[in-house]
This record gives sequence, structure tokens and C-alpha cells, in this order.
Amino acid sequence: NAGVTQTPKFQVLKTGQSMTLQCAQDMNHEYMSWYRQDPGMGLRLIHYSVGAGITDQGEVPNGYNVSRSTTEDFPLRLLSAAPSQTSVYFCASSYSRASGQETQYFGPGTRLLVL
Amino acid sequence: AQSVTQLGSHVSVSEGALVLLRCNYSSSVPPYLFWYVQYPNQGLQLLLKYTTGATLVKGINGFEAEFKKSETSFHLTKPSAHMSDAAEYFCAVSPNSGYALNFGKGTSLLVTP
Repeated sequence: NAGVTQTPKFQVLKTGQSMTLQCAQDMNHEYMSWYRQDPGMGLRLIHYSVGAGITDQGEVPNGYNVSRSTTEDFPLRLLSAAPSQTSVYFCASSYSRASGQETQYFGPGTRLLVL
Repeated sequence: AQSVTQLGSHVSVSEGALVLLRCNYSSSVPPYLFWYVQYPNQGLQLLLKYTTGATLVKGINGFEAEFKKSETSFHLTKPSAHMSDAAEYFCAVSPNSGYALNFGKGTSLLVTP
């Protein structure tokens, strides 16, 4: 298994540009989520999904959109990039809590710089 | 809402010394508790977790943590630090009825020769 994969690894955007951060997992996990990591802030939840077709907002959702059309993929869209969105973005996935296998597995991250 | 406090943003220990990284949580009911480690320019890797049952939890790389409900703590320890333990460590909680992880701000562990 490849686990959780993220592309691209690094991206530079200009203010106002849009882009999609890709996340895929091959473990048939129901739950997927996006976090952003900023220095001294830990990781903060942006959006999450408990299954295909179901998404919800986390702590810091403004400026980001998500969709979950398949179990495997959970892309994160930046509609109009702002310098405040400069961060490292992590995707994570896990089985459902009911399975007893609730450990979340993280991807390697995408470093985003917005100029 | 649940929150996590990690005491000390930077901890320095000598190689071979005890490692103690502190984590306190606030929750009205015992949550699920996790410790993750992040090596430079990498993602997060699970060290150990507490869900139910035994309060002393053993993880990878010789780390362990003890859930103390009365103190609302989940401190991470390792008897003898190794140079390879230098990394960022994150404590996280999630409600036992949900999925979202609330992370602490992290503790950077430095191991000196």
C-alpha cells in the first residue's frame, strides 16, 4: 500500500490564483481530513469527510473547499489564494471509529507559498 | 470543546537522559489521546494512543505514556534519550464519539551529546 499520498510536494502561488491540493489513500479508509500546520500553532483542522459524498467544516475552513466523490480521493481547493494561506498542508485518513481502528495516518505534506 | 496544552515548546535533554514531554487536556469526558512525532520535512507518525483500558500505554521507539484522569494528563516519557529522538512531538485528543483531532502546539525535542 502506498498509504496517504499528496501532490504536489511544494507549490508557489500568486495572490488570487486558485489551485487544488490532491490527497489519495489506498487503505479504503472512510474518514479523511485536511490540516494546516503553522509555526507555533500545531495542526488545525480545515475540512473533513466521514465518507464519499459527506464533508464538513473544521476549525479553519474559510478560503477552502472540499469534495469527496470517491472513497480514495479528497482534494482541497483554494479558490483565491491569500498570503495567509502560506502553510504546510497535511491530509490524513482513518477507518471509522466503530471499527476500532481509529488511528489517523498522515501524508507527507504539501508546502504552499503564496506571494 | 476539547483542548490540549503542551508545556514547553522546546525541551533539551542529554543523550541517555530521561525524556519527559508534558500534555494536559481539557474535556468533560475522557477523550481518545494520541502522541505523534514529526521528523524534519516529514509527515506525522503515530507514537502511541490511549482509547480505553490500561492507562499505561507503550508505543514505538521505547516511548510510553500514562493516562491520568484525575490530572487530565497524558505525559510522554522515554527512559533514555537517543540522538535520533530529536524531532517535534505533538499531543492530540479526539472525542470518543468523533474523528477530528485537536492538536497541541507541539514540543521540539533537542538531544545533545
